[in-house]
Amino acid sequence: AQTVTQSQPEMSVQEAETVTLSCTYDTSENNYYLFWYKQPPSRQMILVIRQEAYKQQNATENRFSVNFQKAAKSFSLKISDSQLGDTAMYFCATTGAGSYQLTFGKGTKLSVIP
Amino acid sequence: EAGVTQFPSHSVIEKGQTVTLRCDPISGHDNLYWYRRVMGKEIKFLLHFVKESKQDESGMPNNRFLAERTGGTYSTLKVQPAELEDSGVYFCASSRGWTTGEKLFFGSGTQLSVL
Repeated sequence: AQTVTQSQPEMSVQEAETVTLSCTYDTSENNYYLFWYKQPPSRQMILVIRQEAYKQQNATENRFSVNFQKAAKSFSLKISDSQLGDTAMYFCATTGAGSYQLTFGKGTKLSVIP
Repeated sequence: EAGVTQFPSHSVIEKGQTVTLRCDPISGHDNLYWYRRVMGKEIKFLLHFVKESKQDESGMPNNRFLAERTGGTYSTLKVQPAELEDSGVYFCASSRGWTTGEKLFFGSGTQLSVL
């Protein structure tokens, strides 16, 4: 069974600053994917970034990047130059090889303050 | 293209009543998933359709929950009779394929409150 832990229920950051959301996971799979999904208030949840465990290079998507520490089973999300539109719930998730079921963490509510 | 659409966005019902949630996936997406988030807990998988067939319903909590996907298009999730512990946000998602690492497209969710 897989588990995902997000230890920060709520966070805030000043606009234009950088913030890091933490995520740790546990899995017995050899190959798996890790995801960060974002859900703005009353809007659809969207994929922010995706990382395959076999790839050592950290994934980046514009202002979003991850710090993937496989041995430590850590997958943190860094948001640079925070914008008001980044205010949302952020969910870390994983799925194992041959599986399409996502295992989610409890989420981190991020507020970007003007 | 239109995204995944869910309605209603909110539903408030009394214990013992029936509620039906609907999900319209992105056109052309054969795979449709239901997930649920109970307040303060993780989002949990409920089930997965491939076209009109149930591929995996291992996450369905009990037989009060019935999911259908007639014609492989939209899906409904019926809760009958609803209990207090069924309250939460029900998410629908769709995808073109169902390989590991597949990108899922989620709807905005239906907030269900059972009083």
